[in-house]
Amino acid sequence: EVQLVESGGDLVQPGRSLRLSCTASGFIFDDYAMHWVRQAPGKGLEWVSAISWNSGSIAYADSVKGRFSISRDNAKNSLHLQMNSLRPEDTALYYCARGPPGDWDNEGPNFDHWGQGTLVTVSS
Amino acid sequence: QSALTQPASVSGSPGQSITISCTGTNSDVGGYNYVSWYQQHPGKAPKLMIFAVTNRPSGVSNRFSGSKSGNTASLTISGLQAEDEADYYCSSYTSTTTPYVFGTGTKVTVL
Repeated sequence: EVQLVESGGDLVQPGRSLRLSCTASGFIFDDYAMHWVRQAPGKGLEWVSAISWNSGSIAYADSVKGRFSISRDNAKNSLHLQMNSLRPEDTALYYCARGPPGDWDNEGPNFDHWGQGTLVTVSS
Repeated sequence: QSALTQPASVSGSPGQSITISCTGTNSDVGGYNYVSWYQQHPGKAPKLMIFAVTNRPSGVSNRFSGSKSGNTASLTISGLQAEDEADYYCSSYTSTTTPYVFGTGTKVTVL
């Protein structure tokens, strides 16, 4: 069974940093692209970032470009999101989601498994 | 990149069919056959229902179907059931600097 478990969410002050993690199991992690998607409280979904199976290609939403950094450790079946210069508008539930095999832009926004999310709150 | 436009709410009686629209531009929905649909129940993670406009993942009921015409994609739910009551989001690849965009979301109510 595919499982994705996010961790690292917390209450942080504006301007501070936070690192989210997603631990994967039940599939061959290093075959698949991975994504982060967030959802502000009571709001819709927003795609945040993606990384290809071998970290060879990475993409970000304009709203986080230059502040967030995605990475993966295939040896540890883990995905990370380093979040710097956090803003109140970054407050959201952050989901880790599995993309298709290979590159992050294969087959479009085909996210077939999701974690339960980790909550990031940015407030003074 | 602005969110794709969906109706805020759609409702129907059990057994009926409903259709949810997702309107974008020729830089996203109209330009690529990369539209997906997600179902989200309250407090739960989204679930992939349709990918690449018309394809259903294994395990998704064939009551769910997708289509596209020009810059508008659609999700049709036939034989509406109480368990279909949820929020639905479309998503598309885009040619802008943010490569994926979601729709504004539609709340489906089963009367």
